[in-house]
Amino acid sequence: DAGVIQSPRHEVTEMGQEVTLRCKPISGHDYLFWYRQTMMRGLELLIYFNNNVPIDDSGMPEDRFSAKMPNASFSTLKIQPSEPRDSAVYFCASRPGGGETQYFGPGTRLLVL
Amino acid sequence: GIQVEQSPPDLILQEGANSTLRCNFSDSVNNLQWFHQNPWGQLINLFYIPSGTKQNGRLSATTVATERYSLLYISSSQTTDSGVYFCAVAGGTSYGKLTFGQGTILTVHP
Repeated sequence: DAGVIQSPRHEVTEMGQEVTLRCKPISGHDYLFWYRQTMMRGLELLIYFNNNVPIDDSGMPEDRFSAKMPNASFSTLKIQPSEPRDSAVYFCASRPGGGETQYFGPGTRLLVL
Repeated sequence: GIQVEQSPPDLILQEGANSTLRCNFSDSVNNLQWFHQNPWGQLINLFYIPSGTKQNGRLSATTVATERYSLLYISSSQTTDSGVYFCAVAGGTSYGKLTFGQGTILTVHP
């Protein structure tokens, strides 16, 4: 299996622009997680889905952030409009329904100027 | 929410040395995992261990749930062990909602 796939791997944008991060979970995994990693706040869970349905989005920082999972093999995290404080590494992870281990993608490094 | 505290924050070793990393948590948990983030940023799951002891090669982990701590042991460390080690926990009905500690930065010198 190719593992969790994220794109783009790096994104540089200007403040106010829309940013879309993409994730393809491991085939057959029922759960998908979006995390953000910064030096100040460490690793934080933003939102997670079970069978394409958002279960907990309490970690989404504000209304500028939105996440969707239109099908079992694809999810997006969108920031609109982006701000410099959104600069971070965004990770996507997935795990099977009956399992415990989360498998992380390589991350998207976002820089908002 | 659950608080997670890891110690030490930094650890520097010579190759071949052993080390113990600690994770304290503030409430009962039903999910505890150890992760390694390598110098390229990739996060790899090492153990799922809400209680008991597990071993995988040179690494082993023990969680004493009643006393709310977990230990990760690294024996005969190698330079490839360098990186950041994270403990992540979840409790109650929030089984899938992991809270990560701040991590222990491990540097192994040849």
